[in-house]
Amino acid sequence: AQKVTQAQTEISVVEKEDVTLDCVYETRDTTYYLFWYKQPPSGELVFLIRRNSFDEQNEISGRYSWNFQKSTSSFNFTITASQVVDSAVYFCALSEVNYGGSQGNLIFGKGTKLSVKP
Amino acid sequence: EAQVTQNPRYLITVTGKKLTVTCSQNMNHEYMSWYRQDPGLGLRQIYYSMNVEVTDKGDVPEGYKVSRKEKRNFPLILESPSPNQTSLYFCASSLAPPTSGTLQTQYFGPGTRLLVL
Repeated sequence: AQKVTQAQTEISVVEKEDVTLDCVYETRDTTYYLFWYKQPPSGELVFLIRRNSFDEQNEISGRYSWNFQKSTSSFNFTITASQVVDSAVYFCALSEVNYGGSQGNLIFGKGTKLSVKP
Repeated sequence: EAQVTQNPRYLITVTGKKLTVTCSQNMNHEYMSWYRQDPGLGLRQIYYSMNVEVTDKGDVPEGYKVSRKEKRNFPLILESPSPNQTSLYFCASSLAPPTSGTLQTQYFGPGTRLLVL
């Protein structure tokens, strides 16, 4: 079965600290996509990144970086030098390609609430 | 302005009274989807639509219906709402599904907060 686990329910850090949000997934498929979304206190959902199962290269975008490791079924998200504006709920998500017409099915984790204090 | 709109934004209703939450996008997107967000449960997909007249169940479709008669609209219908459908609902759209070869950003609506008494 497909499943996404974000074991950290809430994390609190002080500004400028680095923080890593964990995401572990389960899938029956060999071809799948992983995502991260951000939900700031205002409530809207913002897409951050998509990674396919064949691309294990780490990605960096400014202060954000993502570490994808198939061996441990993890897709972790690190914020370097965190800022107050990073305070949000972050969701990891999974979509399989080859199973049961599920190409449109997106499975989310329960989210990690990050609070960055000044 | 490219956007996904949902109406109403807030709704209080009573058990059993049929309601519809509308979702409309102006980006000519093929793929649309409905999610519900509940504390401690994160986001769960209700239904999605790959194209006009093509819809499929997500993970929590019970108690909901959808239709996709036109590309721009994807209403969510609660025929007989119950208190366990009290939730925050999000509609989303993108040019192609999440697993398309070319990355297509998924745009989310502002959310509809529903309370069923």
